[in-house]
Amino acid sequence: KQEVTQIPAALSVPEGENLVLNCSFTDSAIYNLQWFRQDPGKGLTSLLLIQSSQREQTSGRLNASLDKSSGRSTLYIAASQPGDSATYLCAVGGFKTIFGAGTRLFVKA
Amino acid sequence: DAGVIQSPRHEVTEMGQEVTLRCKPISGHNSLFWYRQTMMRGLELLIYFNNNVPIDDSGMPEDRFSAKMPNASFSTLKIQPSEPRDSAVYFCASRFTRLGTEVYNEQFFGPGTRLTVL
Repeated sequence: KQEVTQIPAALSVPEGENLVLNCSFTDSAIYNLQWFRQDPGKGLTSLLLIQSSQREQTSGRLNASLDKSSGRSTLYIAASQPGDSATYLCAVGGFKTIFGAGTRLFVKA
Repeated sequence: DAGVIQSPRHEVTEMGQEVTLRCKPISGHNSLFWYRQTMMRGLELLIYFNNNVPIDDSGMPEDRFSAKMPNASFSTLKIQPSEPRDSAVYFCASRFTRLGTEVYNEQFFGPGTRLTVL
């Protein structure tokens, strides 16, 4: 059974800092990995999707990497801003999608 | 594109009542997912459909829960009878799945329905 773990559960950083969020999964037989952002009381917003054949994807200040063999993905956020404060979730799978519990990020102005 | 549309956005009901949640997926998407999110259990997949057909409902907690997708543009999740422990945010999501390949595209989520059962 696939299990997805996100570390740390919560993170507080000063504005401008570069940071890395981690996601690990137990079954490497995945088709893709997707990173989402969720603001309090809101739905999930897709940030990046990495297909299993890819190693990374970039969008603006965000860069996501995928290492299937080790069961890991990282989300790198460059020059963090207070507006980046949210919960970040990773989701692995293909036909079915399994979510991690998320990392709650707070960027201090 | 309007995105995934869910209604109602908030629902407050009393224990024992029937609750129906509605979802309109993004036009052109052929896969639809229902999730439930709580503080204790996080985001859980309840059921998903492909081309209007339920593929996996193993996440549906009990027989009190049922879901239908009568056509490509509409799905419902029904709880009958509702119980206080059903209180949660219910999300609907959709994506395009190219069957016969191993390429699965991005999922897009609706804003959710916050259900409170008193």
